[in-house]
Amino acid sequence: AQSVSQHNHHVILSEAASLELGCNYSYGGTVNLFWYVQYPGQHLQLLLKYFSGDPLVKGIKGFEAEFIKSKFSFNLRKPSVQWSDTAEYFCAVNAKDSSYKLIFGSGTRLLVRP
Amino acid sequence: GAVVSQHPSRVICKSGTSVKIECRSLDFQATTMFWYRQFPKKSLMLMATSNEGSKATYEQGVEKDKFLINHASLTLSTLTVTSAHPEDSSFYICSASHRAGAYNEQFFGPGTRLTVL
Repeated sequence: AQSVSQHNHHVILSEAASLELGCNYSYGGTVNLFWYVQYPGQHLQLLLKYFSGDPLVKGIKGFEAEFIKSKFSFNLRKPSVQWSDTAEYFCAVNAKDSSYKLIFGSGTRLLVRP
Repeated sequence: GAVVSQHPSRVICKSGTSVKIECRSLDFQATTMFWYRQFPKKSLMLMATSNEGSKATYEQGVEKDKFLINHASLTLSTLTVTSAHPEDSSFYICSASHRAGAYNEQFFGPGTRLTVL
């Protein structure tokens, strides 16, 4: 069975600091990888996704993620965070073998201090 | 575009009663809708997948008689929690997709917080 782990449950940064949120998955087959964001009081939104090709994926709002197959990782990065990036971030995986159902990590709450 | 709404956003009910939660895709036709449950400080757990006009597919451990799902149209799916008990208190989130498979970007609703007294 697939599982997704996010190492950091809470992250606090100052504005302009760099961000890296860890995501590891356990599954031996081909997977598709996603990062979703949930701003306070809002619904989940897709930040970026990886299906194939260039393992460095660029998403909205300056976010990017790198798929490292050998490490089963898909870490999310942003070189300089803003106060408006305060949100909860979820990593998710799906695979053909499991009918492409999304499996979510437990989420990371990011607080950016102005 | 791709907006999904849920109603109600919050509901409080007495133990033993039933509660219906609606999920609507406002500007697209959703061939597939998904229902998730989110426990405090935990990830979203998929409860069931529903396709318009057919029976929902429930995940292992989810009681289909307790969590009734109806997907009667391409823009509406409902989740009814029957004979609710305090342990059913949770945050329920739906999502909708306009195609199945790997490329099925899911658009999420804002969630419904259910509290059973």
